[in-house]
Amino acid sequence: GENVEQHPSTLSVQEGDSAVIKCTYSDSASNYFPWYKQELGKGPQLIIDIRSNVGEKKDQRIAVTLNKTAKHFSLHITETQPEDSAVYFCATYPGYSTLTFGKGTMLLVSP
Amino acid sequence: DVKVTQSSRYLVKRTGEKVFLECVQDMDHENMFWYRQDPGLGLRLIYFSYDVKMKEKGDIPEGYSVSREKKERFSLILESASTNQTSMYLCASSFGQGDNEQFFGPGTRLTVL
Repeated sequence: GENVEQHPSTLSVQEGDSAVIKCTYSDSASNYFPWYKQELGKGPQLIIDIRSNVGEKKDQRIAVTLNKTAKHFSLHITETQPEDSAVYFCATYPGYSTLTFGKGTMLLVSP
Repeated sequence: DVKVTQSSRYLVKRTGEKVFLECVQDMDHENMFWYRQDPGLGLRLIYFSYDVKMKEKGDIPEGYSVSREKKERFSLILESASTNQTSMYLCASSFGQGDNEQFFGPGTRLTVL
């Protein structure tokens, strides 16, 4: 089955800095790569996703890049704000079964 | 807005008790999921269901069972709770194929004493 590795497990940045979270996956059939954000006391919520026919996608301050050859994808957050502090999960979908999630990254943005 | 609700935010049970965790979604989604979330281990899939009365094992089904008698409701059952089942349990639902957004409930923090 699919194996998803996510790094780093914890990331601390100053407000205004950029943050990058990286995930690698094993199943070359994976074709859908979502990112979820989990705020304290809440369930995860989809913030951005990318499909395998696209190399990059942006939505305001967040972007996701995908390298299918190397089997890795990354979440980029620019101009971080304290409200970006949360746990972020990457996931993949290999076209069968369901999503496989990474172990999560706790992002801490200090004012 | 899609809403996924879970019956309890916090639950405390004793070892050996039978525990029911209920999840209800209001968007007519075919798929429903139960995850367990533990520090350092991320989200691990326990069971999922793609239709009424249908269920599929996830990555960690041992010690759990599920029931889906109605489309909107998906229950997770711990037949005999053990201390190693102390965890955060998250329910989710989605429409159609696996490459669609999953909507999560707020979670149930279960403590087994």
